[in-house]
Amino acid sequence: QSALTQPRSVSGSPGQSVAISCTGTSSDVGSYNYVSWYQQHPGKAPKLIIYDVTKRPSGVPARFSGSKSGKTASLSISGLQAEDEADYYCCSYAGSYTLVFGGGTKLTVL
Amino acid sequence: QVQLVESGGGVVQPGRSLRLSCAASGFTFRNYGMHWVRQAPGKGLEWVAVIWYDGSDKSYAASVKGRFTISRDNSKNTLYLQMSTLRAEDTAVYYCARDFESVRYFDYWGQGTLVTVSS
Repeated sequence: QSALTQPRSVSGSPGQSVAISCTGTSSDVGSYNYVSWYQQHPGKAPKLIIYDVTKRPSGVPARFSGSKSGKTASLSISGLQAEDEADYYCCSYAGSYTLVFGGGTKLTVL
Repeated sequence: QVQLVESGGGVVQPGRSLRLSCAASGFTFRNYGMHWVRQAPGKGLEWVAVIWYDGSDKSYAASVKGRFTISRDNSKNTLYLQMSTLRAEDTAVYYCARDFESVRYFDYWGQGTLVTVSS
């Protein structure tokens, strides 16, 4: 199972919006609406911020939103804040009770 | 509050074995599936394995299938990962994570334990 494809880095200024793409195949993202996103700050464990493509766990700001079209899922962050600077990983169900992550995207808040 | 604490990491020679543990607290462990996820130094996350809440079923990533075994002891609230025939490419921080929505997501993570495979 190959990793999902994410841009290596994205950046934006405080207050702006950014989007991170996550491209898979017809065996994962394209077949299931079980896409999630995780935020990871340096030296910390990942944190779930989006699941079921669009849902936010309790406590995650509404500035974070998810979407999917075909084999590509996206994470959007509006009103960028300094604390949003982190690595972001998408993850998809890939059938037969397996999961696959994207390679990760480093978000820099300028 | 949910706590997951991994242990058992260290330096091990290629071809040898190592067992990781994850002690769970703050929730009813026997009601949840559990995962192992790893992260090589400076690299991305890689899902490793999952075990059902009652241990009745397991699933593995192709990269570890046949070499790693996930197990649990619900009486001790502990998850395990038995790793054998270790390779340099298994060097990573290993996280245990609680399953959310039946092998779809991870809602709580431990802080990880580092495994270094080197001669």
